Amino acid sequence: AQSVSQHNHHVILSEAASLELGCNYSYGGTVNLFWYVQYPGQHLQLLLKYFSGDPLVKGIKGFEAEFIKSKFSFNLRKPSVQWSDTAEYFCAVSSSNTGKLIFGQGTTLQVKP
Amino acid sequence: GAVVSQHPSWVICKSGTSVKIECRSLDFQATTMFWYRQFPKQSLMLMATSNEGSKATYEQGVEKDKFLINHASLTLSTLTVTSAHPEDSSFYICSAPPKAGLGHNEQFFGPGTRLTVL
Repeated sequence: AQSVSQHNHHVILSEAASLELGCNYSYGGTVNLFWYVQYPGQHLQLLLKYFSGDPLVKGIKGFEAEFIKSKFSFNLRKPSVQWSDTAEYFCAVSSSNTGKLIFGQGTTLQVKP
Repeated sequence: GAVVSQHPSWVICKSGTSVKIECRSLDFQATTMFWYRQFPKQSLMLMATSNEGSKATYEQGVEKDKFLINHASLTLSTLTVTSAHPEDSSFYICSAPPKAGLGHNEQFFGPGTRLTVL
């Protein structure tokens, strides 16, 4: 069965610090990988996605993620976080056949000004 | 980007009553929509796949008779929580991929519906 694991449940950083959120998945077929963000009181928004090609993908707001197939990982990174990055971050995997999204547990990021 | 709306945004009901939640794709057609449930401080759990013109597909452990899904048109899916109980209190979120080729498209999420059952 598909599963997604996010290692960091709650991360607290100061502004300008670098961010890396871990995400590992378990799936037997071709995967499509996503990072979604949920700002307080808002709905989920797509940060970035990987389907194929360059394993280093760049998303909105300076975020990027690297797909490492051998490690079944898709970690999210940002060189310098801002207070406005405070949010809940979800890694997700989808099946090419069904489009179903399986989410990780989520990581709460708190950026201190 | 594509917009998905939900109505109502929040609802409070008495135990034993039924509640209907609507999910609409405002500027695109969606033959498939997904319903998720999110408990406080937790992740989204996929409940079911709503298919226009056919029966919904439910995930393991989700009661079909409890959570009725109807995908009446290419822009509307409804989730009815029947005989609601306090343990059904949660945040219900729908999503829809705007194009064919399900897995290769991002899904656009609705703002969610907060259900509180007294």
